[in-house]
Parts: sequence; C-alpha cells; structure tokens
Amino acid sequence: GENVEQHPSTLSVQEGDSAVIKCTYSDSASNYFPWYKQELGKRPQLIIDIRSNVGEKKDQRIAVTLNKTAKHFSLHITETQPEDSAVYFCAARGGNNAGNMLTFGGGTRLMVKP
Amino acid sequence: DGGITQSPKYLFRKEGQNVTLSCEQNLNHDAMYWYRQDPGQGLRLIYYSQIVNDFQKGDIAEGYSVSREKKESFPLTVTSAQKNPTAFYLCASSFVGPYNEQFFGPGTRLTVL
Repeated sequence: GENVEQHPSTLSVQEGDSAVIKCTYSDSASNYFPWYKQELGKRPQLIIDIRSNVGEKKDQRIAVTLNKTAKHFSLHITETQPEDSAVYFCAARGGNNAGNMLTFGGGTRLMVKP
Repeated sequence: DGGITQSPKYLFRKEGQNVTLSCEQNLNHDAMYWYRQDPGQGLRLIYYSQIVNDFQKGDIAEGYSVSREKKESFPLTVTSAQKNPTAFYLCASSFVGPYNEQFFGPGTRLTVL
C-alpha cells in the first residue's frame, strides 16, 4: 500500500519568514495530494490540494509543488503569521485500487513566533 | 461547523467495555471514514465505506467494528479486543471520486480508565 513520510515533525519560524514542509510517497500511481491544517483541539481542514497532472498550485500565501519523478511534494507558506501556527498533514491518494482512501503523513507542528 | 457531527465529544470507558462512537453527516456524501489520531502522530484509517451496507477495513481495523445502515450514519464500535483504545477519533465523509475533499467531524476523545 501507500506510505507517506513527512518532514520535519516540528518547525519553528519567525513571523514573516517562509515555512516549507516536505512529503514523500511510495505509490507511483498516486494521483491526488491534499494538505490539511489542524489547529489545536479542532478538526483537520483542507487548505490546498494538487493533482498529479499539475506541478505547482498557489493560493495566496500558500503553494504546493509536486515532483512525480522523485515522488515528493511540498507545502510552502510565505509571510507566515501567528495564526498559521497549527499541525499540518500531507496525504496521498493511492493508485486505481485505493478507492477514495488517503494515506496521511505523520504531521508537522508549525510554530510561528511573533 | 455543520455538515458532519460526532458525539460525544469526550467519552470515558472502563476496560473490558465496548463503546460506540456516533458519526452523522447531512452533506449527501456516499463515502465515510473513521480515523484514529494519537498524540504527535498522523491519521490512521480504521474503516471506510463507499456505499450503504458495505465497508472495508483500513490499516488498523483490529478491535473495531462499524455498520453503514444509512447513508447519513457510520457508527464505530470500539470493542474490548482493542488493546490500546485511548485516542482521538475522527470521522470524515466525501463524495466518491478521486479528487473529492474529505470533510472531517469535530472528533471524539476516548479515554479508557
């Protein structure tokens, strides 16, 4: 089955700096890669996603890049703000037999210091 | 925060007891999922269902059971066979299809005393 590795597990940045979180996946047939943000005590919420036929996608201060050859994808947050502090999860949807199942990475706790 | 709800928010159970967690959605989603979240870890899939009266085991189904008698409801039973049930349980739902967003419920925190 699919295996997703996420790094780093914790990330501390100064307000205004950029943050990058990286994930690798194992199933070369994976075709959908969402990113979720989970604030303390809250439910995970989708912040951005990318399909396998796209190399990069941006939405205001956040962007995701995908390298299918290397089987890795990354989340980029620019001009970080204290409200960006949360746990971020990457995920991958496996190949044709995976149904709608997502495999999640272990999460990255992002702390933005004012 | 409507759409997908879970109850109760907190649940305490004595060892050896079965307990059922509720998950309801009014988003007309066909697919529903149960995940387990442990501190500092990601989400691990317990069970999922893409249609009424059918469900599939996820990566960590041992000690859990589910039913899907209605499209809107997907209850999870944590049985006494689950060795370490204390965790945060998240339910999610989505439309069927490769690129559909999974929407999560608020979660149930289960503590075994």
